[in-house]
Amino acid sequence: EAQVTQNPRYLITVTGKKLTVTCSQNMNHEYMSWYRQDPGLGLRQIYYSMNVEVTDKGDVPEGYKVSRKEKRNFPLILESPSPNQTSLYFCASTSNIVYGYTFGSGTRLTVV
Amino acid sequence: SQQGEEDPQALSIQEGENATMNCSYKTSINNLQWYRQNSGRGLVHLILIRSNEREKHSGRLRVTLDTSKKSSSLLITASRAADTASYFCATGLNNNDMRFGAGTRLTVKP
Repeated sequence: EAQVTQNPRYLITVTGKKLTVTCSQNMNHEYMSWYRQDPGLGLRQIYYSMNVEVTDKGDVPEGYKVSRKEKRNFPLILESPSPNQTSLYFCASTSNIVYGYTFGSGTRLTVV
Repeated sequence: SQQGEEDPQALSIQEGENATMNCSYKTSINNLQWYRQNSGRGLVHLILIRSNEREKHSGRLRVTLDTSKKSSSLLITASRAADTASYFCATGLNNNDMRFGAGTRLTVKP
């Protein structure tokens, strides 16, 4: 089944403890993005990648890092999480925007 | 920055009625897309309309685009309880530049 898989689905962590949210797609898509969703703000793009080793900042990149060493994987790294990064995170991928993005099921992160 | 803005924020209708949601955006676009999100889950792509198209249909969905007014509408005809979800418009210039609005929360009462 073609899909974008994110792990974990839920995560509660403490301020300052480094964490990684994994994202993997099995559709050989070039384009991958990370979004965060907050009430009343819609989805905001954190980082995106156009292909292996090509990444760039979205609208809200502060406090996040990404890497794209393989085409299928696009992990989101929070080096020192803070409570304002409590949010619902989505990874998405596409081969071409005319087909729309395929989204993962989301990761609900709580930083206390 | 957030690009699209959906209107209304929330909409409640009876099963069988039509639901219309609107989206306004600020800058030039190549395409506009609509997505659906069931509570807390990932978004699902519904339909894309290109900037040179005015109307597009897919099943019970009808999307219009007016680039002169920088606005789009999504019409769901003969709504069902299963259509209850949040609906988002997304605008973009290219593959990595999708901007989403805050969404319209649609409730369809059986």
